[in-house]
Amino acid sequence: DAKTTQPTSMDCAEGRAANLPCNHSTISGNEYVYWYRQIHSQGPQYIIHGLKNNETNEMASLIITEDRKSSTLILPHATLRDTAVYYCIVSPDPGGTSYGKLTFGQGTILTVHP
Amino acid sequence: KAGVTQTPRYLIKTRGQQVTLSCSPISGHRSVSWYQQTPGQGLQFLFEYFSETQRNKGNFPGRFSGRQFSNSRSEMNVSTLELGDSALYLCASRPGTSGSNEQFFGPGTRLTVL
Repeated sequence: DAKTTQPTSMDCAEGRAANLPCNHSTISGNEYVYWYRQIHSQGPQYIIHGLKNNETNEMASLIITEDRKSSTLILPHATLRDTAVYYCIVSPDPGGTSYGKLTFGQGTILTVHP
Repeated sequence: KAGVTQTPRYLIKTRGQQVTLSCSPISGHRSVSWYQQTPGQGLQFLFEYFSETQRNKGNFPGRFSGRQFSNSRSEMNVSTLELGDSALYLCASRPGTSGSNEQFFGPGTRLTVL
């Protein structure tokens, strides 16, 4: 699976946009970028995923660079409840045998301040 | 729709014992994956089951095993417990083995081995 690199921690003021970067320079053509987050003592929660186009849903936006070697998760108006560990994951090729496996790195600890 | 449920939520065992953890996926979901989370190693994939068959396995010793029943409920078993098996065990479900790799996680079972 392609390796991802994320900053260890980031801070954000409540109400401001939180921009979380991720590098995945070895991503292959059919691999998707997924973002999950884990709020303390809970199971991880899916946020968003994309292949090469920018994606938006009710939780966040995902911006993937044209060369697909990096991406940014954007929380447009961060709240205190967004304080969590955010994981950027490259998902195996849907046709591959390891498709169901998610390989989590250390993630980014996002702290939203009042 | 009810989410993924895991039982028990907390468990204390002693070295050498064995333990069985249970996971009930979201209704209609047929794929169940298991993960181990520890402070040192982070979130690591254990195995995935679909239609009562193990489809994928992580790098864990044979003491870790699992199974899935015809109703998609899954159990994992750890035999001859070691102190290092103390962890949060998470299960996740998804509808099938194609399409999105969006996985829905349960709250986890916190296992403490004394």
